[in-house]
Amino acid sequence: DTEVTQTPKHLVMGMTNKKSLKCEQHMGHRAMYWYKQKAKKPPELMFVYSYEKLSINESVPSRFSPECPNSSLLNLHLHALQPEDSALYLCASSQLGESEQFFGPGTRLTVL
Amino acid sequence: GEDVEQSLFLSVREGDSSVINCTYTDSSSTYLYWYKQEPGAGLQLLTYIFSNMDMKQDQRLTVLLNKKDKHLSLRIADTQTGDSAIYFCAETPSYSGAGSYQLTFGKGTKLSVIP
Repeated sequence: DTEVTQTPKHLVMGMTNKKSLKCEQHMGHRAMYWYKQKAKKPPELMFVYSYEKLSINESVPSRFSPECPNSSLLNLHLHALQPEDSALYLCASSQLGESEQFFGPGTRLTVL
Repeated sequence: GEDVEQSLFLSVREGDSSVINCTYTDSSSTYLYWYKQEPGAGLQLLTYIFSNMDMKQDQRLTVLLNKKDKHLSLRIADTQTGDSAIYFCAETPSYSGAGSYQLTFGKGTKLSVIP
């Protein structure tokens, strides 16, 4: 298995909802990443997990809460989001010690 | 600081070659990457080049690296309509610690292929 999967593909939520985005990989990668991508912009790094521990938080608001329950799974819990949080959320993974990152197809999030 | 620059748009006719250019600032980058993003999709790793190489060829793709000028290019031979997408150049100047690296992306070049 050489791919990163993400669910759901699309998500529409209100500002008071709580939802979660899921990412999974079975390539044995021990580094996993969350990116946010607005239209016509490059991806912006949000969080990095190494060995299932949070190693980087790029000053992301607390309404985004990442979780790495095991080496194959990465979640992003969402609560009280704002309309400006609407974007494509991309997950990626890499082997530790290597810079090549493999991306999932993303979750298109719309906050109403 | 870290900065990766790309032209925003490129339009070519089907069958012609496309050349997408990128300049970067961090001379310590060890790998430079090209990613392709089709509409509504994630990023697909196309190819990469190690910083001690000048050129890398992979089927229709040729990557050229000029370290002195910090200039990277991606040439797509015999461009097809399926090549229409946004192409991102990325460098890896930053070791994030604990075995992970941060990618710095350019703004992306939108390639339009005219049939």
